[in-house]
Amino acid sequence: GNSVTQMEGPVTLSEEAFLTINCTYTATGYPSLFWYVQYPGEGLQLLLKATKADDKGSNKGFEATYRKETTSFHLEKGSVQVSDSAVYFCALSNQAGTALIFGKGTTLSVSS
Amino acid sequence: GAGVSQSPSNKVTEKGKDVELRCDPISGHTALYWYRQRLGQGLEFLIYFQGNSAPDKSGLPSDRFSAERTGESVSTLTIQRTQQEDSAVYLCASSGTGTVNEKLFFGSGTQLSVL
Repeated sequence: GNSVTQMEGPVTLSEEAFLTINCTYTATGYPSLFWYVQYPGEGLQLLLKATKADDKGSNKGFEATYRKETTSFHLEKGSVQVSDSAVYFCALSNQAGTALIFGKGTTLSVSS
Repeated sequence: GAGVSQSPSNKVTEKGKDVELRCDPISGHTALYWYRQRLGQGLEFLIYFQGNSAPDKSGLPSDRFSAERTGESVSTLTIQRTQQEDSAVYLCASSGTGTVNEKLFFGSGTQLSVL
């Protein structure tokens, strides 16, 4: 079945540093890809998504490009802020198209 | 309501007891999902409701787990004869129509501890 692997955390950065969180997937067919984020004390929320190859999802300065050739959907941000400190989850749709499969999450901690 | 509401927020129970977890989705959302997150693990899909029916319950780990949804609204997840490995955060999410590309709205979860 479909699965997703994302880099282990925690990731610790200084404010204004460049961020990359790696995510690779294994899938049958052409799943949609997602990044969800969980800020401290809040529920998970959708950050961005891409539904087909070469699509780029973007939101709040974050970007991720659906790369079919490398089966990847890496999350990037050019300049992180303290307020970006959160847990980031990569996800893809399951084979049946009925639910999302999530990675283990990567904790990002940004200090000023 | 304004968001997905789950209750209780915390539940401590003894091994072997039954527990019921409740989810109130956003009003009008037809799709509802249950996930489980064990410590240090990703979210594990349990069951998907479309309206009151469950077209995908492939993630329920054993017959001790069951879920129902009534009135296209509230859902309850029941765990019978709880075991220590059931300890986890149980998350509920809802979406408007249930297409997998649609944004999921998550509740804050129920932290279940089985002693």
